[in-house]
Amino acid sequence: EVQLVQSGAEVKKPGESLKISCKGSGDRFSNYWIGWVRQMPGKGLEWMGIIFPGDSDSRYSPSFQGQVTISADKSISTVYLQWTSLQASDTAMYYCAGTLETGNWYFDLWGRGTLVTVSS
Amino acid sequence: SYDLTQPPSVSVSPGQTARISCSGDALTNQYAYWYQQKPGQAPVLIIYKDTERPSGIPERFSGSSSGTTVTLTISGVQAEDEADYHCQSADSSGIYGVFGGGTKLTVL
Repeated sequence: EVQLVQSGAEVKKPGESLKISCKGSGDRFSNYWIGWVRQMPGKGLEWMGIIFPGDSDSRYSPSFQGQVTISADKSISTVYLQWTSLQASDTAMYYCAGTLETGNWYFDLWGRGTLVTVSS
Repeated sequence: SYDLTQPPSVSVSPGQTARISCSGDALTNQYAYWYQQKPGQAPVLIIYKDTERPSGIPERFSGSSSGTTVTLTISGVQAEDEADYHCQSADSSGIYGVFGGGTKLTVL
């Protein structure tokens, strides 16, 4: 059974950089696309982007293209979400999630979330 | 703003049927997916490819599709079904995913 384990909560100041992680376990992890979903406080889910760790093929929502970077290190079954300059509006819960299917971009495997708080 | 449109809230009494709609142009050529999210928890996939139910999801959850609108139906609603429900699809070209704004289901 594949599981996704996310890194812990972060508190950062505006302008700081951040990289959060999502580590997969299980034999089938290498077959998964892993994506990131943002949920701002009291709001709905937002699809940010997705990557195939095997070859780092990635897709981004236009809303997040250029705002974040999704990367992967297949040798340690880990996917990352990175910011170079955080803003208060980046305060949210970030979920990593996985799918075996290319092109449908839904998720049947979820991490427990990483809470990112950006405040001066 | 969200690419898919859902009602913010739906209320039903226990045992009744709840219907939650989700509309968007991309739904004419892209599948829809539904997630249930309870407070403090990650979402759970409950419907995929418009009408399919993952293993372990109760039969009272079903999905349907017609044109630019998809509908999640919960038959015989139970108190434990009180949650937020999110629809999801892909953009019309299938390049990236999109979500609706979510619907809060209240069981009276």
